[in-house]
Amino acid sequence: ETGVTQSPTHLIKTRGQQVTLRCSSQSGHNTVSWYQQALGQGPQFIFQYYREEENGRGNFPPRFSGLQFPNYSSELNVNALELDDSALYLCASKSLGGGIHEQYFGPGTRLTVT
Amino acid sequence: AQTVTQSQPEMSVQEAETVTLSCTYDTSESDYYLFWYKQPPSRQMILVIRQEAYKQQNATENRFSVNFQKAAKSFSLKISDSQLGDAAMYFCAYLTYGGSQGNLIFGKGTKLSVKP
Repeated sequence: ETGVTQSPTHLIKTRGQQVTLRCSSQSGHNTVSWYQQALGQGPQFIFQYYREEENGRGNFPPRFSGLQFPNYSSELNVNALELDDSALYLCASKSLGGGIHEQYFGPGTRLTVT
Repeated sequence: AQTVTQSQPEMSVQEAETVTLSCTYDTSESDYYLFWYKQPPSRQMILVIRQEAYKQQNATENRFSVNFQKAAKSFSLKISDSQLGDAAMYFCAYLTYGGSQGNLIFGKGTKLSVKP
């Protein structure tokens, strides 16, 4: 197992609600990326945080936002939930500048929007 | 934009046999990384093997090896002596070299079943 943890494991929300997902990075890692994995698909990049600032974003609307804290843990916030937001949300951490761009993934949060 | 294609939605192999999973990608870049990740039912994405595009030698990790054909933009994964624990979804992924933005691009995955 990697040292990346995510909470909660599962979550059920209603359309229009807001949700916050949490990720704790592997020790020594300063960068966190978030991915959305719809059923039967590969993960899609949402955004990345480095030193508490977003420094890369995929094709996701502004209602997907995030935070990174001084201890490098991170949150993914999704506002105005839609049915299509139902997916597995994965976070991955790595250490920028190490020369090896391997990302270590957490176990994911399964979000169901009804 | 880069794309990754895995043309085999499902594959099956007999225990102890060898199986090859296919992956092709499209890019205009000359330097990049390629990865194979394994995702078992537990959902945790696990790195299986990594290949730097500037290296001609194919990467190997124990029973896992790749056939990297840069000109053909092909990156297949060979699993030798398959074990029941190898059953999982396998994803091929691309990363721009020096990719500080960490944007892994994944294929849709191949579901591997291992028969006892």
